[in-house]
Amino acid sequence: ETGVTQTPRHLVMGMTNKKSLKCEQHLGHNAMYWYKQSAKKPLELMFVYNFKEQTENNSVPSRFSPECPNSSHLFLHLHTLQPEDSALYLCASSQATLGGHTGELFFGEGSRLTVL
Amino acid sequence: QQPVQSPQAVILREGEDAVINCSSSKALYSVHWYRQKHGEAPVFLMILLKGGEQKGHDKISASFNEKKQQSSLYLTASQLSYSGTYFCGTEPGDSWGKLQFGAGTQVVVTP
Repeated sequence: ETGVTQTPRHLVMGMTNKKSLKCEQHLGHNAMYWYKQSAKKPLELMFVYNFKEQTENNSVPSRFSPECPNSSHLFLHLHTLQPEDSALYLCASSQATLGGHTGELFFGEGSRLTVL
Repeated sequence: QQPVQSPQAVILREGEDAVINCSSSKALYSVHWYRQKHGEAPVFLMILLKGGEQKGHDKISASFNEKKQQSSLYLTASQLSYSGTYFCGTEPGDSWGKLQFGAGTQVVVTP
């Protein structure tokens, strides 16, 4: 139990579906992150919310849409995905420094996404 | 820009030592090290913030050469529990919130 909870743990969706991944942190942190982990690839930073504002999107395709309604919750909205988007999506939180630098990351267990 | 890790994999017998290297093409603010076991989330090991700083976590330690933009992770007297994939993450000095990870080093410790 890392204090970061992700749901659902597994998701199978068709290319025309719309779904959302949810992340909740109980650690009082001020920054939350979405990372994508594909087989044989490095962890890819997708989005950063620092002090509740999105600060980094790393040129992620628009079929991925993040939402951070408050500092404890983070969503990743998915629509018209491609099979190559199948991966493990990891949410993490940290206590960022006043300068915005990343502190120790606490990861959730991840949401395993399969796009058919 | 993602850091480069080496080696890709290492196999050790219990009690042996290993070194994992991480290098970046950019000037760094920090280096993070994480370990991920199969089917589990990555777990934090340590952050290094200053040039030449060394930190330790049990018998796992690390160094950070700020000038060379390199960090090394030292596994000393390895235990079976050290098995997993080790990732370094680097955050550039000229931007914040952009922690990028290397491809990982798979470590297998055998009895």
